[in-house]
Amino acid sequence: AQSVTQLDSHVSVSEGTPVLLRCNYSSSYSPSLFWYVQHPNKGLQLLLKYTSAATLVKGINGFEAEFKKSETSFHLTKPSAHMSDAAEYFCVVSRPTNAGGTSYGKLTFGQGTILTVHP
Amino acid sequence: GAGVSQTPSNKVTEKGKYVELRCDPISGHTALYWYRQSLGQGPEFLIYFQGTGAADDSGLPNDRFFAVRPEGSVSTLKIQRTERGDSAVYLCASSLDKFQRSDYEQYFGPGTRLTVT
Repeated sequence: AQSVTQLDSHVSVSEGTPVLLRCNYSSSYSPSLFWYVQHPNKGLQLLLKYTSAATLVKGINGFEAEFKKSETSFHLTKPSAHMSDAAEYFCVVSRPTNAGGTSYGKLTFGQGTILTVHP
Repeated sequence: GAGVSQTPSNKVTEKGKYVELRCDPISGHTALYWYRQSLGQGPEFLIYFQGTGAADDSGLPNDRFFAVRPEGSVSTLKIQRTERGDSAVYLCASSLDKFQRSDYEQYFGPGTRLTVT
């Protein structure tokens, strides 16, 4: 079984300050991990993904995340927030391709973190 | 190019009625997924198609829910005898995944907001 816990339901930052959105996962296997963003009235968009290559993953719009197996964490960061970053962010886990079974591509989402950016 | 589209964008129905929700995936994507997102929650997996067949339907909550993809492209999620608890946003996603890998990007549609009164 696999699960994801996003540690903060809401995060509020000022424009130009760093962003940290926290995520812990649980998985029976070495997982694939993703961050998706959902802007109001728009579809979910992939920010970045980790698939057992480099542990520091760079994504779109200046976001990055670091996979830490010892801490079972995959926190999302950005050095400087923009107003356009205001949205809901989801940490997501998926089973790896060599896990066996037929649940490949089945994504398990966290509860989401709403990011507010103040001028 | 065109992304994943879903129709209708909003659907209001009375308790006990039957509804169909449609998903048009990105052309050439063999894998298609349905998810359900309740208010304040992350999306939850419902069903996964590889081509025409449902490879994993373990997320369907009960036998009132059924999905088809007869020609390996468009998919329809069908809900019988709707209940108020079925109210949610139903999301469809597609990917190029032909090998049942977990790391192919899934492209999501805007969703259908279903309200059961």
